[in-house]
This record gives sequence, structure tokens and C-alpha cells, in this order.
Amino acid sequence: AQSVTQLGSHVSVSEGALVLLRCNYSSSVPPYLFWYVQYPNQGLQLLLKYTSAATLVKGINGFEAEFKKSETSFHLTKPSAHMSDAAEYFCAVSGGYQKVTFGIGTKLQVIP
Amino acid sequence: DADVTQTPRNRITKTGKRIMLECSQTKGHDRMYWYRQDPGLGLRLIYYSFDVKDINKGEISDGYSVSRQAQAKFSLSLESAIPNQTALYFCATSDPSGGGHTDTQYFGPGTRLTVL
Repeated sequence: AQSVTQLGSHVSVSEGALVLLRCNYSSSVPPYLFWYVQYPNQGLQLLLKYTSAATLVKGINGFEAEFKKSETSFHLTKPSAHMSDAAEYFCAVSGGYQKVTFGIGTKLQVIP
Repeated sequence: DADVTQTPRNRITKTGKRIMLECSQTKGHDRMYWYRQDPGLGLRLIYYSFDVKDINKGEISDGYSVSRQAQAKFSLSLESAIPNQTALYFCATSDPSGGGHTDTQYFGPGTRLTVL
């Protein structure tokens, strides 16, 4: 069985501030972990993906995430928020032959 | 042009009607998926297909059926729509880089379905 928990369905940050979106996972096999972003009226697109090659994963638009096995976490960060980062962010887990399980999503609001 | 397209983009229908949502892709991917998105529930998998002859149920397939007409086309049908099927529906594709479901998925723009 596998699952992801995204802490905080809504997060607000000021423009230029650190973005931190939290994701904890549960998996009985070595996990693949994903962060997807959904901009308004669009489908999801991949931000970054962990495949066990490196624990710190860099993605598009300045985002990165660190895989911490001891904490079963895969939090998404960006040093400085931009207005264009306002979107909904989904953490997801897969592994072995298990289907992808998505979290409930975190809506990021960027305040000017 | 978009790699994954969905038609219609918006649809309002009545309880009991049959509805078909269509998905086409030009990415050349073998794998295709249908999800529904509900506020507070994230995305849930309805059906998936790893190739034209392979159709599999996801976690919430009851009340839905699918057809894989070709590598590029994957349709979702609601045989008799009910109000709790009101949701945002997404089609996605992936190109298998490994086994299982660990591939990056590419999503269409979504279909907003309202069942009255």
C-alpha cells in the first residue's frame, strides 16, 4: 500500500519569500516521487521526479525537492516566490507496479 | 498544437444521459490514463491502458467504461450519468521508461463535466 499526505491545502507566501510545500509518503517498496503543478484551467505538468538517483532533485522554474527516507518526506522548495508560481501543487508516489497515488493538492497563493 | 487534447472542454448534462469524453494524443505514447479531480480529493485513477489491447480498472471505475480505439485515442464513457460524477476529468499519457507506473505523465487540459 502507498499514500501521500500533503500538509496544508492552502499556503500563502509573499513575493520573494521562501516557498515550502510539504509532502510525506508511505510506500512498502522503494518509491518514485513526483511533484506536479497545475496552473488555472490547465492540466498537470511535471515539476520534478525522484527516481533514487540523487536525493536532491532539481526541477523546472527554480523548484527543488529533497528525498529524506528517515523522515519519509519529499518537500518542495523554492528560495524566492514569484507571482507566476501561484498554482496548485500535487505530490505523488509510485513504486514497483503500484499505480500512482496523488495527494490532495496544495494551492499556493503569492501575495504581492 | 497541444500534445494531449480533450473534447469537449466543458459539458453540462442531465442525470441518466450517456456521455462520452474523448482524448487524443500526438506524443506517440502507448500508455493512457483517465483521472477525475475533485476538490479536496486530488486525482483518482478511473481506467488505464498500457497498449491498445490492454485495459485496466483504476480505483474508481464503477459507473465508467473506456474504449481504446487506437494508440492515439482513449475515450471515457459514462453510461448513465449521475450528479456525483460532476468533476474535472483528465486524460494523461506516458512513455514507459521502466516497468509499472513510474513514468512521467503528460496531461490534457481537462474536461469539466456537470451532471444536473
